[in-house]
Amino acid sequence: AQRVTQPEKLLSVFKGAPVELKCNYSYSGSPELFWYVQYSRQRLQLLLRHISRESIKGFTADLNKGETSFHLKKPFAQEEDSAMYYCALEKYAGNQFYFGTGTSLTVIP
Amino acid sequence: DAGVIQSPRHEVTEMGQEVTLRCKPISGHNSLFWYRQTMMRGLELLIYFNNNVPIDDSGMPEDRFSAKMPNASFSTLKIQPSEPRDSAVYFCASRSDTGELFFGEGSRLTVL
Repeated sequence: AQRVTQPEKLLSVFKGAPVELKCNYSYSGSPELFWYVQYSRQRLQLLLRHISRESIKGFTADLNKGETSFHLKKPFAQEEDSAMYYCALEKYAGNQFYFGTGTSLTVIP
Repeated sequence: DAGVIQSPRHEVTEMGQEVTLRCKPISGHNSLFWYRQTMMRGLELLIYFNNNVPIDDSGMPEDRFSAKMPNASFSTLKIQPSEPRDSAVYFCASRSDTGELFFGEGSRLTVL
């Protein structure tokens, strides 16, 4: 069963434009949600998690339990934001991490 | 700490051959995960271990895949026999106490 859905495989925006990467999840319990990012030639790494409620590199993500979504947003995209982004869900107390299929973001100069 | 270490970084083999991928997690991390990355399916969880014990291997595609963690500092993922459809990047990750996953650089497998 698909637990994390990222509907866009590819997303291109112009520098300075707002960007939103969509993520929807299906899980009946209380999930922990994360965004991981993989920059070119770098390891996959944590970008942010919903429980910390912080902004990292200008990105924010709000957990919407009603819509079961955890979209990643940034008001003004920068060229260095070009990367592969994965939404991830951790089942409560389960230690099982499930990732979406990823969205490749390209910021056009 | 050098982070999660995987080997080999690249492997090219012929169909039917045995493939062994290796992972050294970050010292002190008690959970270890194996993922397979493909364009079509993204990151698929294959198996994970807690304190060296396999907890959930429901993501292992079939009996050709097996994973072991003989001690806290080493894990292997074995494919025998390998098939072309196994071609992918295989990632190992270990989990810190804060819940963050730390990934290795991946092992790119090509089965001809």
